[in-house]
Amino acid sequence: GQQVMQIPQYQHVQEGEDFTTYCNSSTTLSNIQWYKQRPGGHPVFLIQLVKSGEVKKQKRLTFQFGEAKKNSSLHITATQTTDVGTYFCAGVSTGGFKTIFGAGTRLFVKA
Amino acid sequence: NAGVTQTPKFRVLKTGQSMTLLCAQDMNHEYMYWYRQDPGMGLRLIHYSVGEGTTAKGEVPDGYNVSRLKKQNFLLGLESAAPSQTSVYFCASSYTGFDTQYFGPGTRLTVL
Repeated sequence: GQQVMQIPQYQHVQEGEDFTTYCNSSTTLSNIQWYKQRPGGHPVFLIQLVKSGEVKKQKRLTFQFGEAKKNSSLHITATQTTDVGTYFCAGVSTGGFKTIFGAGTRLFVKA
Repeated sequence: NAGVTQTPKFRVLKTGQSMTLLCAQDMNHEYMYWYRQDPGMGLRLIHYSVGEGTTAKGEVPDGYNVSRLKKQNFLLGLESAAPSQTSVYFCASSYTGFDTQYFGPGTRLTVL
């Protein structure tokens, strides 16, 4: 079945450093979504990418969808302590209808 | 507009006890989902529903049952709780299977 793998599992950074998490699917995706979960909170939708090669930005966050629509990345420039949490990618296979979540990357930011 | 709400927020059960978790959404979404989240395991789909009166198994359905008698509500039942079911349970909803999922605040369940 469809699998969505996310790396790294954990990342510790110093405040001001950049951070990137990667998401890879075993099948071609119709779209990919990114969510953020703060410690003790629930996942909150950040963005959805649909087009091959699409790049979207939200302030310091840059999201990319691969040309083959099988991988994606989230890059945070100059991390802040407010960026701490777990970032999940979630993909829907082409022709499918269920969203499969990656295991998430937990970001720790040291002030 | 409350979004997705879950009841209760916390619960402690003894092994073998039963309970029902309630999820309600006021966004008129067709799809609803139950996930469990364990440390380092991400979100695992237990059961989901594509509309009122329908349910389907997800990735880890054993030991759980669900019902969707009303469009706005999705119930998750544990008939005989086991310590392995200690987890945080999230409910979510979406317009379609491709759309953004809106999550509830979660229920933290401990089974002793």
